[in-house]
Amino acid sequence: KAGVTQTPRYLIKTRGQQVTLSCSPISGHRSVSWYQQTPGQGLQFLFEYFSETQRNKGNFPGRFSGRQFSNSRSEMNVSTLELGDSALYLCASKSHDPAPGNTIYFGEGSWLTVV
Amino acid sequence: QQPVQSPQAVILREGEDAVINCSSSKALYSVHWYRQKHGEAPVFLMILLKGGEQKGHEKISASFNEKKQQSSLYLTASQLSYSGTYFCGTEIYTGGFKTIFGAGTRLFVKA
Repeated sequence: KAGVTQTPRYLIKTRGQQVTLSCSPISGHRSVSWYQQTPGQGLQFLFEYFSETQRNKGNFPGRFSGRQFSNSRSEMNVSTLELGDSALYLCASKSHDPAPGNTIYFGEGSWLTVV
Repeated sequence: QQPVQSPQAVILREGEDAVINCSSSKALYSVHWYRQKHGEAPVFLMILLKGGEQKGHEKISASFNEKKQQSSLYLTASQLSYSGTYFCGTEIYTGGFKTIFGAGTRLFVKA
């Protein structure tokens, strides 16, 4: 069973540009979450999608957005990039069960560097 | 909302024990523990649900005190392979269940 797949793995962008990251969850998983990881801040929750609907959102500016497709694949977009957006962006999937206690499986992440 | 982990970092010799604590100000439905090695994805260790269960995974176990909104991860007879950053994830309800992670505890085991 394939794990969570994220593309691209590494990318460099210039301030002011926008970027789109992609995530394919584990087959059968319908919930996809996105996290930003920076040194010292741990994993900061961005948002979660379930059945193409945003179910939860973290405390990030509106420049960060996402969506989920009917096949559960998800994309996140960051517009007007700032230097502080440089981070590892992790996608995670879990089963469709809305009850608590579902294991979260992480992808290897997309390393974004903004110059 | 972010849970507080302590200590921030710890250095052990092989065979020594360690405890990592995780504390939240929110009511918790579950606590997740993950280990991340440099350049890799966080790897699931265990999950604890409401009820104060203590779960085990090889020489790694954890407890969950839902009244105190705290969890602890116990690493017994540490091995070199235990080195990495440990994250606790606390599952809270804010109109839907979401998991918030702490800043992590860096663990280094030396021979």
